[in-house]
Amino acid sequence: DVKVTQSSRYLVKRTGEKVFLECVQDMDHENMFWYRQDPGLGLRLIYFSYDVKMKEKGDIPEGYSVSREKKERFSLILESASTNQTSMYLCASSSKDWVGYNEQFFGPGTRLTVL
Amino acid sequence: AQTVTQSQPEMSVQEAETVTLSCTYDTSESNYYLFWYKQPPSRQMILVIRQEAYKQQNATENRFSVNFQKAAKSFSLKISDSQLGDTAMYFCAFMKTSGTYKYIFGTGTRLKVLA
Repeated sequence: DVKVTQSSRYLVKRTGEKVFLECVQDMDHENMFWYRQDPGLGLRLIYFSYDVKMKEKGDIPEGYSVSREKKERFSLILESASTNQTSMYLCASSSKDWVGYNEQFFGPGTRLTVL
Repeated sequence: AQTVTQSQPEMSVQEAETVTLSCTYDTSESNYYLFWYKQPPSRQMILVIRQEAYKQQNATENRFSVNFQKAAKSFSLKISDSQLGDTAMYFCAFMKTSGTYKYIFGTGTRLKVLA
């Protein structure tokens, strides 16, 4: 069964803290994505990776960085958390194989609150 | 740049009735994919249905079907015989077939099925 897992469902951090959000997929997918989901704004792409150690900025990369040292793991890092980064964070993965029509498989999400 | 618009933030439907969710998009690409994803309350987002732009036939998956109007850049989702389990947030998404594997998501429609 296809699975994308995220390290925490809920997280509360203080302003200025360094925050790590972890995502692991067991489908041997090449592509991995980090989104943030906010009411009225839908899903916005923060960063994505199409291979180990490769990364590309999405639409809202400011204040975030990512790491992909292994194919199955994609980490999102908030270097210095701020209150405007309070949001739901979704991780997703997809195969680079076009036969799969690039369906994205999502994790359960991490609801991050920054106080 | 591509955009995806969902003009209905919230909708409701009686159980067993039919409901249509609207989605319009803007692109200069000639070939692309369109998707509808479902995010049930506190559960992972899953793919409902997908459509390739070069296929004229509308996609169907059981009770879910789309009305794809390429010239009008419209991609609506019809849910027949609505069930309580259809209560969810529904997102329309666009992906071009060239370049990167990025999705562009709409802002979502929250659908509530009433007993």
